Amino acid sequence: GAVVSQHPSRVICKSGTSVKIECRSLDFQATTMFWYRQFPKQSLMLMATSNEGSKATYEQGVEKDKFLINHASLTLSTLTVTSAHPEDSSFYICSADRGTTEAFFGQGTRLTVV
Amino acid sequence: GQNIDQPTEMTATEGAIVQINCTYQTSGFNGLFWYQQHAGEAPTFLSYNVLDGLEEKGRFSSFLSRSKGYSYLLLKELQMKDSASYLCAVRVPNDYKLSFGAGTTVTVRA
Repeated sequence: GAVVSQHPSRVICKSGTSVKIECRSLDFQATTMFWYRQFPKQSLMLMATSNEGSKATYEQGVEKDKFLINHASLTLSTLTVTSAHPEDSSFYICSADRGTTEAFFGQGTRLTVV
Repeated sequence: GQNIDQPTEMTATEGAIVQINCTYQTSGFNGLFWYQQHAGEAPTFLSYNVLDGLEEKGRFSSFLSRSKGYSYLLLKELQMKDSASYLCAVRVPNDYKLSFGAGTTVTVRA
């Protein structure tokens, strides 16, 4: 099946710094990728839709200047958490869609801001 | 917005059967998905229903009734490794994104 690779799997950063998370589709081209955030014991909350070659579409309540998304190629989308704070600590997951019935998820990134 | 409801927790015994219900109220419908998620890991795909009826895949089956806005995931011959969170998600027309329910944590006891 299709593989989506997300990196890093875990990251600890200091408050005020920025962190970049990469999401790659390894064996298919993904014009659309999605970024989710998941707090402990809660479900996945969609943050934004990443569109190749155009601006990302953010869900209501998600700060686009804080969560920068770049989808520069058909196989790579990046999420940058800028000026991270402890409340940004969460599990971030990307998914990619190639137009079939199934969405393929990355392995997730556990972000801890100290 | 989309409204997707499922129970928070369920407990069952190893070897038994558990049924996880999901009801949805969405702006259109273009498929319902079930995912399994172990703690700290990404979700893995279990099933997809777009037409009414039962889809069987090994120990897992999923049912859909579009007129009732209702689905269930049936787990048979439960194993300890089935202890996980099960997420119900709906896709609406003309949109690839998924709306997820809060998830049901299933605990399998020996």
